[in-house]
Amino acid sequence: GQSLEQPSEVTAVEGAIVQINCTYQTSGFYGLSWYQQHDGGAPTFLSYNALDGLEETGRFSSFLSRSDSYGYLLLQELQMKDSASYFCASDYGQNFVFGPGTRLSVLP
Amino acid sequence: DSGVTQTPKHLITATGQRVTLRCSPRSGDLSVYWYQQSLDQGLQFLIQYYNGEERAKGNILERFSAQQFPDLHSELNLSSLELGDSALYFCASSVEGGNNYGYTFGSGTRLTVV
Repeated sequence: GQSLEQPSEVTAVEGAIVQINCTYQTSGFYGLSWYQQHDGGAPTFLSYNALDGLEETGRFSSFLSRSDSYGYLLLQELQMKDSASYFCASDYGQNFVFGPGTRLSVLP
Repeated sequence: DSGVTQTPKHLITATGQRVTLRCSPRSGDLSVYWYQQSLDQGLQFLIQYYNGEERAKGNILERFSAQQFPDLHSELNLSSLELGDSALYFCASSVEGGNNYGYTFGSGTRLTVV
């Protein structure tokens, strides 16, 4: 089946840099997305990588390596408001399959 | 406001009952997706509709069904409810071929089965 793996929890302090990794299955893979979800809220789209390399959007960057079936989300200059769950989601053409999510806790 | 409207926001019902969740996609989006999120779990894909037609089906139980109407709103019907069906149900919409822009999620319907 199609499944993704992510760490369940990550903790970092304000101002730090954190990397959330994601591995996926390659069969039928088109691209990798990242979503942020605050407790009780809706997932919000952060980025989409279809090609290898780094995509930068402000403090957040996303990376994809198709040869390694691996991607990551990089969050810089962490702020308290970044405390949330982060989901990678792989695009298999018809729909996105979401990973189990990584809960990021940002400490003062 | 994301532009995707889900009603109701909260629903409490008894086991064995049937409920209908409603979703209006963002203006211009033809695709609607339904996801289930149980407590502290990821998002499980249920079903996708595109312009009124079922396009993809995930791990959707036979007790669950959905449809998309000509005005593009969608309804998810859950019947013979069990305690384990308690979850957040999200609807999302997207433009065709708009993977670069991702899905836009509604605020969800929190279903509690007692």
